Amino acid sequence: GIQVEQSPPDLILQEGANSTLRCNFSDSVNNLQWFHQNPWGQLINLFYIPSGTKQNGRLSATTVATERYSLLYISSSQTTDSGVYFCAVEQTGANNLFFGTGTRLTVIP
Amino acid sequence: DGGITQSPKYLFRKEGQNVTLSCEQNLNHDAMYWYRQDPGQGLRLIYYSQIVNDFQKGDIAEGYSVSREKKESFPLTVTSAQKNPTAFYLCASGRSPGDTQYFGPGTRLTVL
Repeated sequence: GIQVEQSPPDLILQEGANSTLRCNFSDSVNNLQWFHQNPWGQLINLFYIPSGTKQNGRLSATTVATERYSLLYISSSQTTDSGVYFCAVEQTGANNLFFGTGTRLTVIP
Repeated sequence: DGGITQSPKYLFRKEGQNVTLSCEQNLNHDAMYWYRQDPGQGLRLIYYSQIVNDFQKGDIAEGYSVSREKKESFPLTVTSAQKNPTAFYLCASGRSPGDTQYFGPGTRLTVL
C-alpha cells in the first residue's frame, strides 16, 4: 500500500512561533486531508487539499501532488494548537484514507 | 445538533466476549468508516460503507464485523476472534466516498 510519512514526529514551540509540518507520500493520490487530534482524542478536519494552497485563519496548507508532498503551516501558534496533526491520503483507485503516524505539537506559554 | 455520536465513551470487556460499538450520524452522509488507533500511532481502517446495505473490508478487518441497515447507523462488533482489541475506536462519515471525513468522539475499549 501507499506510504505516508510525516515530519517531524515531535515539535515543541513557544507560543507565538511559526511552524511547518510536512507530509510525504509514495504514490499518486486522489485527495489529501489534514486533521488535528486534540488531547481528548477528537479529530477535526483542517483541510481537504488534493492540490494547491488553502488558508483558514492562522493555518494554511499546500499540496504539490506532482512531487508527492504536502505542507501545513501554523502561524502565531497558541496553546490550543497543541495535539497531533495527521496527514491522510486517498490513493488513486482506492476508496479509503491512509493515515501517517502524525506530528505531535506542544505549544508552551 | 448535526454530527456524529459514538457510544459508549469507555468500554471494558472480558476476554472471550463480543462487544458492539455504536456510531450514529444525522448529517445525511452516505459513506461511513471505522478506524482503530493504537497509542502513538495513526489510524487504520477496519471497515467502510459507501451506501446502505453495503460495506467493504479495510486493512485490518479480521476479528471485526459491521452492518449498515440504516443510513444513519454503522455499528461495529469486536468479536472474540480479535486477538488484541484494546484500542481507541473512531467512527467517521462523509457525503460520499473520497469526500471530507468527519469524526465522532471515539470509544476507548479495554479488554481485561
